Amino acid sequence: GAVVSQHPSWVICKSGTSVKIECRSLDFQATTMFWYRQFPKQSLMLMATSNEGSKATYEQGVEKDKFLINHASLTLSTLTVTSAHPEDSSFYICSASKGPYYNEQFFGPGTRLTVL
Amino acid sequence: DQQVKQNSPSLSVQEGRISILNCDYTNSMFDYFLWYKKYPAEGPTFLISISSIKDKNEDGRFTVFLNKSAKHLSLHIVPSQPGDSAVYFCAAKVPGTQGGKLIFGQGTELSVKP
Repeated sequence: GAVVSQHPSWVICKSGTSVKIECRSLDFQATTMFWYRQFPKQSLMLMATSNEGSKATYEQGVEKDKFLINHASLTLSTLTVTSAHPEDSSFYICSASKGPYYNEQFFGPGTRLTVL
Repeated sequence: DQQVKQNSPSLSVQEGRISILNCDYTNSMFDYFLWYKKYPAEGPTFLISISSIKDKNEDGRFTVFLNKSAKHLSLHIVPSQPGDSAVYFCAAKVPGTQGGKLIFGQGTELSVKP
């Protein structure tokens, strides 16, 4: 199997606070994990690529100081939204790859973030 | 610059008939294509994929066709079932990226009516 979990599934926070989202590969080791953001009725936009033990690679236009990504182990990556504002409200989804020779990505169930 | 495009935001099909979802891409360097199915407030689930060296891949009711000269792929679902109602995303793998960076289309919402 290839199961990816995310926690929490939803979170509501006040403006100015930081929120951490966890992404775990439950039954395989993920050398690479990806973080996406999806606005309603829109596509999945890749935010960053996270490789275990190294710094994340951010897509153009994504603020790396605002969206902190840590990939400390082969089964866990975290996304921290720092000093969240209402415009950061979105659906955040992670995915994991088994390695450079695998084509598929396996997605987590997503996290709904609402910033008040 | 939208490198992967799904020009139909929605599609409605009668149960038992064929559903055809289309996807166009602009970058001829893409070497692998995938289709994902997504329900609201859930992550996408992998459906079927095709390598650029093939022109067809079939898995049960799902068949993906690739026309490289036209930079076009399509997903056929036969017969369509109400449980197929979801948003379908096509994605293209960017070659040379560690772990396989994907670029997604905008999605097509399929509605299969009983």
